[in-house]
Amino acid sequence: DQQVKQNSPSLSVQEGRISILNCDYTNSMFDYFLWYKKYPAEGPTFLISISSIKDKNEDGRFTVFLNKSAKHLSLHIVPSQPGDSAVYFCAASEGHETSYDKVIFGPGTSLSVIP
Amino acid sequence: DTGVSQNPRHKITKRGQNVTFRCDPISEHNRLYWYRQTLGQGPEFLTYFQNEAQLEKSRLLSDRFSAERPKGSFSTLEIQRTEQGDSAMYLCAEETGKSSGANVLTFGAGSRLTVL
Repeated sequence: DQQVKQNSPSLSVQEGRISILNCDYTNSMFDYFLWYKKYPAEGPTFLISISSIKDKNEDGRFTVFLNKSAKHLSLHIVPSQPGDSAVYFCAASEGHETSYDKVIFGPGTSLSVIP
Repeated sequence: DTGVSQNPRHKITKRGQNVTFRCDPISEHNRLYWYRQTLGQGPEFLTYFQNEAQLEKSRLLSDRFSAERPKGSFSTLEIQRTEQGDSAMYLCAEETGKSSGANVLTFGAGSRLTVL
């Protein structure tokens, strides 16, 4: 049973427009949500995160929105650039301070930004 | 290169052979994780280390898999009697900080295993 779902395997967006990547989760115990980006032949790299006590976090062109009641979050990229073309993983964790923090990843959405 | 280093980057082996992957983290003191990623899926947790102690193992980690982190430094993941279903990307990750309270993982580039 997938606890973190990304129902769109792929997304194409024109350069300069907004990219919206969606993520749904089932575990109400998740306290933290993260987005990772992965280029081919590289490992995932951390992009942005949000705590469950917030509903929005912004970092430059990237904004993550959290709707806790709907168990839904989204990543907005504005404006989209060709270099943003990558696979984006939504991830979640329960945020244990004193023990390990098992991060659960979604299956990913492949974003293509068309010049 | 000061990132998480993984070797070899690609391993092709015949079914039934043993393979070993190595991960060199940035710091000896951070928690270290192994994940597996198959095509079309996100990384799946396998195991983690706090220093040299292996504190959690996923049910994905059958008894053919063993991981070590001697002296809390580098880590190895060994797969014995490989099966075609073991073909995947094996990712090593290290906790390197926090963001919005969440623990951030820094991943290596991965070791891709192909079992023929």
